[in-house]
Amino acid sequence: DTAVSQTPKYLVTQMGNDKSIKCEQNLGHDTMYWYKQDSKKFLKIMFSYNNKELIINETVPNRFSPKSPDKAHLNLHINSLELGDSAVYFCASSQYQSRELFFGEGSRLTVL
Amino acid sequence: AQSVAQPEDQVNVAEGNPLTVKCTYSVSGNPYLFWYVQYPNRGLQFLLKYITGDNLVKGSYGFEAEFNKSQTSFHLKKPSALVSDSALYFCAVRAHQSGGSYIPTFGRGTSLIVHP
Repeated sequence: DTAVSQTPKYLVTQMGNDKSIKCEQNLGHDTMYWYKQDSKKFLKIMFSYNNKELIINETVPNRFSPKSPDKAHLNLHINSLELGDSAVYFCASSQYQSRELFFGEGSRLTVL
Repeated sequence: AQSVAQPEDQVNVAEGNPLTVKCTYSVSGNPYLFWYVQYPNRGLQFLLKYITGDNLVKGSYGFEAEFNKSQTSFHLKKPSALVSDSALYFCAVRAHQSGGSYIPTFGRGTSLIVHP
């Protein structure tokens, strides 16, 4: 069984569209994250939820909105997509905020 | 603010030789330190961590790392490199923030290339 799963794996879309990425973890972890990895492989944290509560909200345009319906799921919705949003988005989870992260396989977003 | 530096974009080593991937950090308070590996088109995989205790920590695939508080370093090492170790390696730090959270901060990554 996949521990942290993200869907879809690939998204190709036009500027101005809205898209969502879903993430689920079956590890029983209490904390989930969204990271953005750019073309230079730099990883930037976007959001983190602990037991469905938003605890990290870095400098991210408000076109990006996370939602955590329960502690096993963390979804990312992006409005009005821009060219600069093209990247790989990784979901991750950890048990307690201080522990190691378990990553999904990534969702590659290409905005045309 | 906490930060992590990986001073080398790329490390080249011959198979069978020892390898070192460097990492230094800056935090206020006690750091939790981690190494992750990323293979092409894959997510990051956890390799090892230092939380407390013995400064030398051992992890997956024969990797180890040494925590050096005075030099604020946490270099990743392996005694004998394999071609299959070729990948992107990330150092990360977590430390308690004033708001109560532990923001995980990653270095820029070091590409390890092991030549046959």
